[in-house]
This record gives sequence, structure tokens and C-alpha cells, in this order.
Amino acid sequence: AQKVTQAQTEISVVEKEDVTLDCVYETRDTTYYLFWYKQPPSGELVFLIRRNSFDEQNEISGRYSWNFQKSTSSFNFTITASQVVDSAVYFCALSEFNFGNEKLTFGTGTRLTIIP
Amino acid sequence: DSGVTQTPKHLITATGQRVTLRCSPRSGDLSVYWYQQSLDQGLQFLIQYYNGEERAKGNILERFSAQQFPDLHSELNLSSLELGDSALYFCASSPRQGWTTEAFFGQGTRLTVV
Repeated sequence: AQKVTQAQTEISVVEKEDVTLDCVYETRDTTYYLFWYKQPPSGELVFLIRRNSFDEQNEISGRYSWNFQKSTSSFNFTITASQVVDSAVYFCALSEFNFGNEKLTFGTGTRLTIIP
Repeated sequence: DSGVTQTPKHLITATGQRVTLRCSPRSGDLSVYWYQQSLDQGLQFLIQYYNGEERAKGNILERFSAQQFPDLHSELNLSSLELGDSALYFCASSPRQGWTTEAFFGQGTRLTVV
């Protein structure tokens, strides 16, 4: 069965610090997809990134970067020069490529607080 | 704005009642997914529809049901409501089956059962 672990329940950092959110996953499939979503205080789920299991290149988008390492089954998310607007709950999620079982499994989330 | 519309945004109802949550997917998306977010269970997959047909079921209670209509909007029906059904219910849509493409979530419907 697929599983996503976000061991960090809550993180607080001072504005402009860098912060890394950890995500470790378990799956028996060789083809799968990994996601990060942001849930700000307003409650909506905002899509950040989707990565397939064959693409191990790290990705950078502005202040956000993602480090995918299949060897350690991790898909970590780093925010550089954090801002107060980054305060939110961040979810890592996994989907196996298995038609008929389209479940997207979420981790329990990491609550990030940026202190001004 | 994700393009996925959920109504209503908030709903307060009494135990034993029945409610219907509505989801309009992004234009052109054929798949609709329903998720429940509660404090104790986190984000849980309920059910998926693709082009009007049920494709996958998760931890959906028998008191809950869903359908997708020909215009591709979907409704989630919750009946015999209990206090524990209080949660944020999300709908997501994607162009095809499975999560092989990005899927975008609506803003959610916050259900409070009193």
C-alpha cells in the first residue's frame, strides 16, 4: 500500500530564513507521481508541483525548489528567503499509476509559520 | 483561482439530516474526485468519477453517495449526518483518468453538523 510520511508536524522560522519540508513515501510501483499542495489559512488546496517517478531532476520555481531522491524515497521541498505569505500547511501526496485505483494519498501535512 | 467551483462554501445542518454538495470541474476536465479533510483523519479520498462513470472508491461511508452528470458536474450526497461528518469536503478535477496530469482542487465546502 502507498504511504506518505511528513514527520515535521509544525515548523516556525523567522522571515527570510530558508526552510525545508521533508516528505518520505512508500510504494511498490515503479511508476508513480508525487505532488506538493499548499493550504493557506483560507482553506483551499493550491497545487504547487507534480513530478513523475522517472524524472529525478530537481526543480526550481522562484523561491521554491524540490529535491527528488528515489534512492531514499524522498521528495523534499525548500523555500528560500521565506516570507510571511508562505505561512500555510503543506501537503505531500503520492499517486500510483494504477487505473481503477486512482487514489491520491496525502501525508498529514506540515504547518509552516513564518515569523515576521 | 483553480477553475473548480464548489457550492456551497459553508453548510451548517443538524444530525440526521441530508445535504448535497456540488462541484463544477474545470472546463474540459472529465475526472472528478471527492476528498474529505477532518482533524482526526486528515485528507481522505472518497470517490472518483470519470466521464459520468464511477472509477474508484476510497473510504466512503455507505451513507454517502455521489454521481457525475452529463454536463460533468458532480454532486456528493451525505445522509443521516453525524457529528463526526463535520469536515471540509474538497472536489478536484483533471482532464483524464488518474493523476497523470495536474489536478486542481476547489475551495472546499465546510460542513458543520450540530
